[in-house]
Amino acid sequence: DTAVSQTPKYLVTQMGNDKSIKCEQNLGHDTMYWYKQDSKKFLKIMFSYNNKELIINETVPNRFSPKSPDKAHLNLHINSLELGDSAVYFCASSQTGGGGMNTEAFFGQGTRLTVV
Amino acid sequence: GENVEQHPSTLSVQEGDSAVIKCTYSDSASNYFPWYKQELGKRPQLIIDIRSNVGEKKDQRIAVTLNKTAKHFSLHITETQPEDSAVYFCAAKDTGGFKTIFGAGTRLFVKA
Repeated sequence: DTAVSQTPKYLVTQMGNDKSIKCEQNLGHDTMYWYKQDSKKFLKIMFSYNNKELIINETVPNRFSPKSPDKAHLNLHINSLELGDSAVYFCASSQTGGGGMNTEAFFGQGTRLTVV
Repeated sequence: GENVEQHPSTLSVQEGDSAVIKCTYSDSASNYFPWYKQELGKRPQLIIDIRSNVGEKKDQRIAVTLNKTAKHFSLHITETQPEDSAVYFCAAKDTGGFKTIFGAGTRLFVKA
């Protein structure tokens, strides 16, 4: 069983289009994330959701809209795609225990988005 | 804002030698420090982690040290093997647990 699965794995689309990436975790974790990894391999957090509630939005353009229908799912919708959006997007999840009981993040396999 | 600096950006070692990667963090509230290995085209995967209440942790050929006062932590890989070649990321997570800040990554090459 895949712990964190995201689809699609590859996405090639034209500028100006709208696209979505889906993510699901079966680990029972309460926190889910979206990360963007650019061509230089920088891993930058975009959003963090805890129990379906948005906790962190790291000054991401509002063309990016995450949606968490339940704590096992966190989808990412991107409007009006731009060339600079080309990157690998990783979904991840973790259990947030607080008080020093945080756990590692488990990552999905990534979605390579190419905007042409 | 919070920041994690990681050095070196590239590290090349001979098989059997040791490799050391160093990180510093800015947020003194950080209390959990995971290290991830990312092979080409794959997802980042945890290899070792350390919490702020310990100074050192070891798992076979991999060890991590933490100096909370100096806000430094390091990854040590001994007896390196070609399959250790990958990008390694350090990270720091705050007490609230909702934000993990990653270092820029170190590309490790182990030459056979």
